[in-house]
Amino acid sequence: SQQGEEDPQALSIQEGENATMNCSYKTSINNLQWYRQNSGRGLVHLILIRSNEREKHSGRLRVTLDTSKKSSSLLITASRAADTASYFCATDGGDYKLSFGAGTTVTVRA
Amino acid sequence: SAVISQKPSRDICQRGTSLTIQCQVDSQVTMMFWYRQQPGQSLTLIATANQGSEATYESGFVIDKFPISRPNLTFSTLTVSNMSPEDSSIYLCSVPSYRVGETQYFGPGTRLLVL
Repeated sequence: SQQGEEDPQALSIQEGENATMNCSYKTSINNLQWYRQNSGRGLVHLILIRSNEREKHSGRLRVTLDTSKKSSSLLITASRAADTASYFCATDGGDYKLSFGAGTTVTVRA
Repeated sequence: SAVISQKPSRDICQRGTSLTIQCQVDSQVTMMFWYRQQPGQSLTLIATANQGSEATYESGFVIDKFPISRPNLTFSTLTVSNMSPEDSSIYLCSVPSYRVGETQYFGPGTRLLVL
């Protein structure tokens, strides 16, 4: 079942700007992951942050996790047109079953 | 990394019929998962398919509607039975990677439209 909520639902930014999206969840987690989906195709894993981590970086991606608030954020810096996609957070309670958030649709304008 | 293929990639079906979706992985994995993504929505886990045992279904999904087979460690099928337009969705299979920093590889999905 879904337990994540994401905001905003949609985000439109200019190329070069940063994009920030947030995710909240309800139950305890082992880790939280962010995925990207282009035009209804398969999901691409972006980054995973474990429950005992607070911040993680990967290239232009920065993820934070606040387990006390049951929330996470994904920051994409210096956005590109190729970053246009839907972004989903997903929580894993430790059994590899993922519970996905509603998703944020990001449009990067050239 | 695991390479996952799904067949068919898309299909248009008539209501009342059934469609079987295949998921093939290029390595042996114990666990495989099936997800549904309804139009404009997020992904919802349908069931876990383990080789050698019955699939375990999430709340809201039943075996009669979504029978699953798992004949070996590289292959699984999901059947969408007695379809209605509400079954129009993308169906994706996934497998754990067991690699540090990553937990799931997803197939490309099967886009189903039921008329």
